[in-house]
Amino acid sequence: QVHLEESGGDLVKPGGSLRLSCAASGFTFSDYYMSWIRQAPGKGLQWISYISSSSSTIYYADSVKGRFTISRDNAKNSLYLHMNSLRAEDTAVYYCAKFFGYALGSWGQGTLVTVSS
Amino acid sequence: IVLTQSPGTLSLSPGERATLSCRASQSLSNDYLAWYQQKPGQAPRLLIYGSSSRATGIPDRFSGSESGTDFTLTISRLEPEDFAVYYCQQYGSSPQVTFGQGTRLDIK
Repeated sequence: QVHLEESGGDLVKPGGSLRLSCAASGFTFSDYYMSWIRQAPGKGLQWISYISSSSSTIYYADSVKGRFTISRDNAKNSLYLHMNSLRAEDTAVYYCAKFFGYALGSWGQGTLVTVSS
Repeated sequence: IVLTQSPGTLSLSPGERATLSCRASQSLSNDYLAWYQQKPGQAPRLLIYGSSSRATGIPDRFSGSESGTDFTLTISRLEPEDFAVYYCQQYGSSPQVTFGQGTRLDIK
């Protein structure tokens, strides 16, 4: 059974940095593309980034390009999101998700990032 | 590609039929359109992928269809647990992944 568990969410000041982690289990992690999606309080879903199984292909949404970095460690079955230069508008629940074809087939429960002084 | 969902809110009663729309701003392959359900305090759940294929464990009252750039999620007979927010999502065109703004399905 697929299980994804995010961690690392915290309260951080504007301009600060944070690293989110997503621990994966129940499937062969190294075979799948993975993604980060966020949801601001009371708002809809916003795709952030995805990474291919071998890390050779990476895409970012324009809103985070140059500030956020996605990475993965297939040996540790883990996905990461390094976030720099955080802004108030980055406040959201951050989800990691596993691709199922071209859809996001499995999601974690999310971790809350709050950017505030 | 921009995905525009309508209506923003849909108020129906259990047992009724729900029709949710997702319009793409440009042509989109059927393979690249998915639908999700999200309940308060929960992560989204994949319902439909490839425009019309149900994900594992999804009841057959949920169905998806497409006509050109218009995609539809239909719930044939609403159950109490179906009242939630529904999102469509596309893959492949810059930005690489986008979601619609969501349709809230409320109990009337």
